[in-house]
Amino acid sequence: DARVTQTPRHKVTEMGQEVTMRCQPILGHNTVFWYRQTMMQGLELLAYFRNRAPLDDSGMPKDRFSAEMPDATLATLKIQPSEPRDSAVYFCASGLAEGTRRYEQYFGPGTRLTVT
Amino acid sequence: GENVEQHPSTLSVQEGDSAVIKCTYSDSASNYFPWYKQELGKRPQLIIDIRSNVGEKKDQRIAVTLNKTAKHFSLHITETQPEDSAVYFCAASSMNSGYSTLTFGKGTMLLVSP
Repeated sequence: DARVTQTPRHKVTEMGQEVTMRCQPILGHNTVFWYRQTMMQGLELLAYFRNRAPLDDSGMPKDRFSAEMPDATLATLKIQPSEPRDSAVYFCASGLAEGTRRYEQYFGPGTRLTVT
Repeated sequence: GENVEQHPSTLSVQEGDSAVIKCTYSDSASNYFPWYKQELGKRPQLIIDIRSNVGEKKDQRIAVTLNKTAKHFSLHITETQPEDSAVYFCAASSMNSGYSTLTFGKGTMLLVSP
């Protein structure tokens, strides 16, 4: 049963520190999405990639957030410097952009980030 | 862009009762409508989806209906069980910068009491 994996699962850091979250999409999937989940805002789309190319990152605060896909098996989301308002659960999801299963997205277990 | 409204925000039922969660969407071009179940501290899991060429889809105790004219779709859970307790999210596909993404509703917390 193929699944999206994310590391770390939990991260506690102090304000101003750099945070890096990693995601391994399901093998063969060509789209990757980063979401942030909070009680107030629900699931917000931060950025997404297709075939490792960034398509849209308009949901991210550009001055502190960055997302990359160094290769097909790794996506990263970085926050530098982190702030308390960044505390949330960050989910990665992957999917296929074509065929009968297009649009389907499968989520990883999330990274729970706490910035003190 | 797409806007998805979900109701109710919380729903409490007795075990064995049915539960219905409703969503509306704004973009008439949307053509894919998934439902996700998220248990406490876990990932959202895709439980059922429907595409715009179908009006209803059923999988054991869960079913989804779609009314494209009215732009709303619903999740129906019959014979609810305590393990159905979770937050349920609806979503609708939308085109963003020429590529398809999902726009999510705010979620419904379903509580099933034994």
